[in-house]
Amino acid sequence: GNSVTQMEGPVTLSEEAFLTINCTYTATGYPSLFWYVQYPGEGLQLLLKATKADDKGSNKGFEATYRKETTSFHLEKGSVQVSDSAVYFCALPTTGGSYIPTFGRGTSLIVHP
Amino acid sequence: DVKVTQSSRYLVKRTGEKVFLECVQDMDHENMFWYRQDPGLGLRLIYFSYDVKMKEKGDIPEGYSVSREKKERFSLILESASTNQTSMYLCASSSAVGYTFGSGTRLTVV
Repeated sequence: GNSVTQMEGPVTLSEEAFLTINCTYTATGYPSLFWYVQYPGEGLQLLLKATKADDKGSNKGFEATYRKETTSFHLEKGSVQVSDSAVYFCALPTTGGSYIPTFGRGTSLIVHP
Repeated sequence: DVKVTQSSRYLVKRTGEKVFLECVQDMDHENMFWYRQDPGLGLRLIYFSYDVKMKEKGDIPEGYSVSREKKERFSLILESASTNQTSMYLCASSSAVGYTFGSGTRLTVV
């Protein structure tokens, strides 16, 4: 079945540092891939997505490229801010008739001023 | 703006109480989900529903039930609340383009 593996956190960075959060997946076929963000005390929000191989999703300075050859969808940002402190989830949507999405366990990011 | 609304942000209930968590979506989505989120465990699926009156167990259904009498509303029921059900509960609905989550209900059972 589908699975998503994310790097464990927390990831602790200083403001303006470069961010990478790794995500790899196993899936049947070539599903769309998503990153969700959860700010403290809130639900999850869609951050960005990519629908096919070599697509790059981007939003709010974050980027992720759909790499079919390495089955990866790493999240990157060139210069993080304190306001980026949150938990980030990599996800696969439902595929193959299944209604159930697959989420990674989440990676906590803490950005210090 | 489309949304998923959970009726309570914070709840405190006593052990043994019957607890209802309500979720409403205004996007006409077929699929709705209930998750609980605990530190170190990520999101765990409790129940989901792909149509009115249809429900399927997720990974951790024990101690919970659900109700979907109308398309827009998906309720999670704790039949007899216990302290190990203290958690953040997240409702979501989905379409082909992704999932929309509610803001969550932080439930404390004392």
